[in-house]
Amino acid sequence: GENVEQHPSTLSVQEGDSAVIKCTYSDSASNYFPWYKQELGKRPQLIIDIRSNVGEKKDQRIAVTLNKTAKHFSLHITETQPEDSAVYFCAALETSYDKVIFGPGTSLSVIP
Amino acid sequence: DAMVIQNPRYQVTQFGKPVTLSCSQTLNHNVMYWYQQKSSQAPKLLFHYYDKDFNNEADTPDNFQSRRPNTSFCFLDIRSPGLGDAAMYLCATLQRGDRQETQYFGPGTRLLVL
Repeated sequence: GENVEQHPSTLSVQEGDSAVIKCTYSDSASNYFPWYKQELGKRPQLIIDIRSNVGEKKDQRIAVTLNKTAKHFSLHITETQPEDSAVYFCAALETSYDKVIFGPGTSLSVIP
Repeated sequence: DAMVIQNPRYQVTQFGKPVTLSCSQTLNHNVMYWYQQKSSQAPKLLFHYYDKDFNNEADTPDNFQSRRPNTSFCFLDIRSPGLGDAAMYLCATLQRGDRQETQYFGPGTRLLVL
């Protein structure tokens, strides 16, 4: 089955700097890769996603890149702000079984 | 305009006392998921339904059961809750077969076992 790894597990950046979180997946048939932001006590919130027919997608300060050959995808947050502090999860949709499997998460702290 | 609704938001039960958590959706999505999330961990998939087809994860304890009586509703039954079952339980939906598939989460039910 699908296995998603995520690095780093914790990340601290100064306000205004960029943050990069990287994920790898194991099932080459996976074709949908969402990223979620989760604040304490709240549900995961979809912030951006990418599908396998696209290499890069951008939404304001957030971008995601996908390398299907290497089976990895990354989240890039530019001009970070304190409100970006949260836990971020990557995930992959295992198409054979319709399962969305999460990476272990990255705790991002943006220091004012 | 809530799309995925979970009730109750907080549930307190006693050790060994059966409990049912409910999820409903207004999206008419064909896939519904139940995740368990413990503090500082990723959501862990327990099982999911594609329409009426039930898919259980290999490591989901037998203590956990699920029902999906129709497209809109899905239930999580914990037959004999233990202290280790205290967690946030998240329901999610997704429309497979739609090239723009997106997973939507409910607000979660936080379960406390006394």
